[in-house]
Amino acid sequence: SQTIHQWPATLVQPVGSPLSLECTVEGTSNPNLYWYRQAAGRGLQLLFYSVGIGQISSEVPQNLSASRPQDRQFILSSKKLLLSDSGFYLCAWSGRSGSSYNEQFFGPGTRLTVL
Amino acid sequence: QKEVEQNSGPLSVPEGAIASLNCTYSDRVSQSFFWYRQYSGKSPELIMSIYSNGDKEDGRFTAQLNKASQYVSLLIRDSQPSDSATYLCAVNPGYSSASKIIFGSGTRLSIRP
Repeated sequence: SQTIHQWPATLVQPVGSPLSLECTVEGTSNPNLYWYRQAAGRGLQLLFYSVGIGQISSEVPQNLSASRPQDRQFILSSKKLLLSDSGFYLCAWSGRSGSSYNEQFFGPGTRLTVL
Repeated sequence: QKEVEQNSGPLSVPEGAIASLNCTYSDRVSQSFFWYRQYSGKSPELIMSIYSNGDKEDGRFTAQLNKASQYVSLLIRDSQPSDSATYLCAVNPGYSSASKIIFGSGTRLSIRP
């Protein structure tokens, strides 16, 4: 079965510090990968998605970036965090084929607080 | 106009009753529809997918899709306190690549004993 991991689970960072969040998927090959952010009491905002190694599409302009160095690894980064970067960061994956190919499955999330 | 709209709630339903959650979407060519459950502080969990008009049942959950009316709903029978959560409606809008889906802002459901 497929499993998706995210770490760290929680993070408190000062404004202006760098960020690196990691997501890995097990039990599937060549998945589509996604990063979302959920602000407190709000809906899910798609930040980035990737259809393959090194292929990143950005949905919103911001001071975050994403990379996919391996097939099942997705990294979210920032050089300098802003207060507005606080939120619940979720990684998700979906398969490429089959009748349920575009179902997305979420990792446990990272709760980021920027002070 | 928002692409996926849900009533934010809270929707309060007595234990044992049927909870009815509704969602409308704006893109007529949408093909895939999903319901996620999100407990407070946790990540969303996929509970139902529906692709064809009509009803799809899974245990106490029934998803209903009406593409002509651009409407999808989730019924929860015999509601339990453990069903108290935020329910997110999500739609693959058809024009997207890479299986992108659009989420509604969620309906908060509270099951009262």
